[in-house]
Amino acid sequence: GAVVSQHPSRVICKSGTSVKIECRSLDFQATTMFWYRQFPKQSLMLMATSNEGSKATYEQGVEKDKFLINHASLTLSTLTVTSAHPEDSSFYICSAPKRGGRYEQYFGPGTRLTVT
Amino acid sequence: GNSVTQMEGPVTLSEEAFLTINCTYTATGYPSLFWYVQYPGEGLQLLLKATKADDKGSNKGFEATYRKETTSFHLEKGSVQVSDSAVYFCALRGNTPLVFGKGTRLSVIA
Repeated sequence: GAVVSQHPSRVICKSGTSVKIECRSLDFQATTMFWYRQFPKQSLMLMATSNEGSKATYEQGVEKDKFLINHASLTLSTLTVTSAHPEDSSFYICSAPKRGGRYEQYFGPGTRLTVT
Repeated sequence: GNSVTQMEGPVTLSEEAFLTINCTYTATGYPSLFWYVQYPGEGLQLLLKATKADDKGSNKGFEATYRKETTSFHLEKGSVQVSDSAVYFCALRGNTPLVFGKGTRLSVIA
């Protein structure tokens, strides 16, 4: 099946710094990628939809200046958490639908962010 | 809005036991329903799906039937294996992106 990778898998940063998370589709092109956030024992919450060649679409309540999304190519989307604070600590997951796979999204393994 | 409620875990079963993970949903219209599985250290994978009422999705011995009258999509397997240990997510998609339940962790012991 299709593979989506994320890098890094874990990151620890200090308050006030910025962290970039990469999401890559390894064997297919993805014009759209989704970024989710998961709190402990909570469901995945959609943060934004990343669109190649255009601005990302953010869900209500998600600060676009805080969570910068860049869909640089058909296989790469990045999420940058700017001026991170401890409350940004979470598990971030990306996914990408494969063209022709009408119902299926392929998920990355996630990135655990800890802000100290 | 659309929402999914699934039973909280963790669920611990012995090998060859019967598994049921309950999932109910609230949605307008006629959503598609999914079960995703996340094995340790891996990303979510689609386990099975159903796109209309009375459809039964099945894969790897798991089954779930789309019940519109009870707004449910319970996951079942007749005989679990240690390799089924994972977190299971129920999800729906209507005219919105995927909406997930909170996930249920299953541990199967030999």
